[in-house]
Amino acid sequence: EVQLVESGGGLVQPGGSLRLSCAVSGFTFSSYEMNWVRQAPGKGLEWVSYISIIGSTVYYADSVKGRFTISRDNAKNSLYLQMNSLRAEDTAVYYCARDKIEVAGPKATDYYYMDVWGKGTTVTVSS
Amino acid sequence: DIQMTQSPSSLSASVGDRVTITCRASQNISNYLNWYHQKPGEAPKLLIYAASSLQSGVPSRFSGSGSGTDFTLTISSLQPEDFATYYCQQSYSTPIAFGQGTRLEIK
Repeated sequence: EVQLVESGGGLVQPGGSLRLSCAVSGFTFSSYEMNWVRQAPGKGLEWVSYISIIGSTVYYADSVKGRFTISRDNAKNSLYLQMNSLRAEDTAVYYCARDKIEVAGPKATDYYYMDVWGKGTTVTVSS
Repeated sequence: DIQMTQSPSSLSASVGDRVTITCRASQNISNYLNWYHQKPGEAPKLLIYAASSLQSGVPSRFSGSGSGTDFTLTISSLQPEDFATYYCQQSYSTPIAFGQGTRLEIK
């Protein structure tokens, strides 16, 4: 069974740090790009970060750039999100999501979508 | 950055109704558009990718259409398990962006 399990969330004071983990099973982790997506209480989905298969390419939302670092360990089938200088507005459920690439159409176009999601881990930033 | 705007923000409907949700991109994204739904306390679930391709295992009452800047998600006959919040998402460029969500409620 394909599974993503996030962990590492908790209560942290403003300015503090947390490291989230996403343990993967049921598929070849090293063949997939990955994302972190968050959802503040009562709000919509916000993409946070992306990492390529070997970790050579990463992207971040402007809201976390310079404070968060995405990484992966393909030998351990794990994805990480190091979160520093945390703010109250970082309070959210954090999901890891697998990026699926489908080649389709007459021009063999790459289509990206998040086809498998974990259940999320909750981060609360408060004094 | 590309902005995604959904309408309506909320919608009340009955079991058996046909429902359409609209998503508009702030610039041309071709058909790099995905749809998800999310039930309270659960993770999002992929429904449609590449604007109109049905994800494996998703019922055929869900369909998507559109290209460029305007897209629609249609549920042909609402079932009780379809009452959820629906999100569109563009995968044309980073930063990836989601719409603000459409909450589908039981009338």
